[in-house]
Amino acid sequence: EPEVTQTPSHQVTQMGQEVILRCVPISNHLYFYWYRQILGQKVEFLVSFYNNEISEKSEIFDDQFSVERPDGSNFTLKIRSTKLEDSAMYFCASSDNRLNTEAFFGQGTRLTVV
Amino acid sequence: KNEVEQSPQNLTAQEGEFITINCSYSVGISALHWLQQHPGGGIVSLFMLSSGKKKHGRLIATINIQEKHSSLHITASHPRDSAVYICAVLPLTQGGSEKLVFGKGTKLTVNP
Repeated sequence: EPEVTQTPSHQVTQMGQEVILRCVPISNHLYFYWYRQILGQKVEFLVSFYNNEISEKSEIFDDQFSVERPDGSNFTLKIRSTKLEDSAMYFCASSDNRLNTEAFFGQGTRLTVV
Repeated sequence: KNEVEQSPQNLTAQEGEFITINCSYSVGISALHWLQQHPGGGIVSLFMLSSGKKKHGRLIATINIQEKHSSLHITASHPRDSAVYICAVLPLTQGGSEKLVFGKGTKLTVNP
């Protein structure tokens, strides 16, 4: 069964450092998403990406965040200067036709900022 | 503002019991997703609904668009069904939105 792969599974970083979270979506999917879940809270939408550009983003997705599809297979989320409050589980997802069809989620990357 | 409310927040059942988890939302939607989050944190998509009913194995999901309500049923529950079940909706907006709005989840524990 096809799956979305995220690396690393857990990352610890110093406050102020840059982090890049990586995702390999399902190969024929065209729509890509990042979500985050702060411990004990609900999952929140960060950004959607289609045709090499951001199609929608939430108020959480400020100038510290960026997304990229550098090589046609990977989909990355970069946090430029991490803050303690960026500590969360980050999920990547992909779908073949926006979210009117099934979305496939990765296993998540747990980011801990110390 | 779109709110997604799930009930109950926590549910404990004995193996074999029939389980129902409810989801209510406040605005028009184009799709509703039921997701399962395992204790390790990973999320698995169970269903995407825009109308009616879907069945997959022991899982059944229904949606009533007029009443803005969906239910997830698990028949013959098993300890391996223990997880957090999350409802997420895609609000109906002009031009289409991809901003899934999530409920807080229902934590299900099935005891042997």
